[in-house]
This record gives sequence, C-alpha cells and structure tokens, in this order.
Amino acid sequence: SAVISQKPSRDICQRGTSLTIQCQVDSQVTMMFWYRQQPGQSLTLIATANQGSEATYESGFVIDKFPISRPNLTFSTLTVSNMSPEDSSIYLCSVVGTGNYEQYFGPGTRLTVT
Amino acid sequence: RKEVEQDPGPFNVPEGATVAFNCTYSNSASQSFFWYRQDCRKEPKLLMSVYSSGNEDGRFTAQLNRASQYISLLIRDSKLSDSATYLCVVSRPTNDYKLSFGAGTTVTVRA
Repeated sequence: SAVISQKPSRDICQRGTSLTIQCQVDSQVTMMFWYRQQPGQSLTLIATANQGSEATYESGFVIDKFPISRPNLTFSTLTVSNMSPEDSSIYLCSVVGTGNYEQYFGPGTRLTVT
Repeated sequence: RKEVEQDPGPFNVPEGATVAFNCTYSNSASQSFFWYRQDCRKEPKLLMSVYSSGNEDGRFTAQLNRASQYISLLIRDSKLSDSATYLCVVSRPTNDYKLSFGAGTTVTVRA
C-alpha cells in the first residue's frame, strides 16, 4: 500500500482563521479523498479530490468552506476556512489501492479551534 | 436509516476469549465490504476485505450475508493488542470508490 503523510499533524487555531492541510503520497494514485472525523464519531466523507479539476463535494460540504487542490497525482491540500469551534476534528486524506476499493489513510491532522 | 449500523459495544473480553460482532448495511447494491481497525487517536487501518464466501486471516474471520445484508467479524484467541475500535465499511453502490463507514464497535481485551 502507498505511504501517505499529512502536514501538520495537529494545530490549534483561532476562530475566523484558515488552515491548509497537505497530503502527500509516495506514488501516483488516481482516487484521493478527504474525510472528517469529529470527536467520538465515525468518518464522514468531505469530498473527492480530482486531479486537474474541481473537487466533488458531498452533501453538507461546500467549496467556499473546504477548498481543495489536487495539482498532481501525488499531492492534495484541504483548507478549512473561516474556522469555528465546530470545525474541531481530525481531518484525514485517503487513497484507493490499485484495482480495488480498499482505501488507505494518512495519519490525520488533529485540529482544535478556540 | 443509516447506511451502515454497528453495535457500539463495548465488548469487554478476557485474553484468549472469542468475540464476535455484526454490522448491517442498508443498500443491497453495495459490492465491496471491509473491516477496518482504528486505535485511539490513530487513523483507520484496513484489517481485511470481506468476500462473499467468507474469509479468514489468522485469528480473524469475516462473513458476509447478502440476503440479510449483514457482515460479521469474529476474533479468536483474543490478545491485549486486539483492543481497538472496529469499523464496518461498505462501498457505495455508485461505482465511484466511495465508502460508507459504521460508527465502530469497541473491543477491550483484558488480562
């Protein structure tokens, strides 16, 4: 499986500010996703990061709040904009394995908004 | 109705015991099924894919019942290191590699 890294691993931010999270994969991957895991909850899909085109967002998530970039097949960023305490969560990127539906996750970014 | 439902537990079992738990999924058109393991403050890690015929990986056995739309996981000879949250994961029937996650079943193995 691919090796996935995320930066930063954690951050504490003030409300109203924005944070950009980076996801780097050690090999080219076609499918890359961004998830959120709120405290005590399971994973919720935010969007599919599409290489060379706009991300595809799930219901309840919008581009203005969570802009995503995917400049190539090994890298993506997720920005959490105009943060509020409700955005405190773990944000994870994932990639799909070759030829199947198995997904592999980055280590996550733990965000706390004060 | 949630796409994937799991008994949250917790299941507290002694070392060496067998523990089993299920999840149910709502969409009969789903095609791929997985169990992931998530340790506290870590990312989910793939434990095993679940195949129609059932499959085994060491002490772990997964079963799929398409007619009743449920998936099971059985852990034999539990180890302390098996303590974790186990996530039932089902592919969406939209052919776009998207997954739906259950809320997880917590297992604690005690000495």
